[in-house]
Amino acid sequence: GENVEQHPSTLSVQEGDSAVIKCTYSDSASNYFPWYKQELGKGPQLIIDIRSNVGEKKDQRIAVTLNKTAKHFSLHITETQPEDSAVYFCAASKNYGQNFVFGPGTRLSVLP
Amino acid sequence: ETGVTQSPTHLIKTRGQQVTLRCSSQSGHNTVSWYQQALGQGPQFIFQYYREEENGRGNFPPRFSGLQFPNYSSELNVNALELDDSALYLCASSNGQEVYGYTFGSGTRLTVV
Repeated sequence: GENVEQHPSTLSVQEGDSAVIKCTYSDSASNYFPWYKQELGKGPQLIIDIRSNVGEKKDQRIAVTLNKTAKHFSLHITETQPEDSAVYFCAASKNYGQNFVFGPGTRLSVLP
Repeated sequence: ETGVTQSPTHLIKTRGQQVTLRCSSQSGHNTVSWYQQALGQGPQFIFQYYREEENGRGNFPPRFSGLQFPNYSSELNVNALELDDSALYLCASSNGQEVYGYTFGSGTRLTVV
């Protein structure tokens, strides 16, 4: 079955710097890759997603890139702010609407 | 529009007992998935319901069962609770269209003692 790895497990950046989180997946049939942000005591919140027919997607300070050949995708956050501090999860799915396989998460701390 | 609501927020049960967790989907959503999130880990897929039928299941034993009702609300039932069942249980709903994505509830924290 699908296996998603995520690195780093923890990341500390200074406010205003960029943060990059990387994920790899094992199943070449996966074609949908969402990123979720989870704050303490809350459920995961979708922040951006990308489909396999797209190489990059951007939404304001957040961007995701996908390399299908290498089977990895990355989350890029620019101009980080303290409110970006949270746990971030990547996930992969073979078909939108089917179960997601989540990575183990990255705890991002943005230091003021 | 309302989001996904789960109840209860916290629950303590004794090993061997049974538990029912509830989820109200976001308005207009006909698909609901349940996930188990152990402390410090990513969510793991339990199963998914679409229009009251189970249409996908993860690697969980049969003592994990579910229901989806005509109003698309859902229940997760766990029988013969084990200590390792202690986790945050998340419900996520979707209308099945790609553009909207899945909306997660805040979860039910289950502690088995």
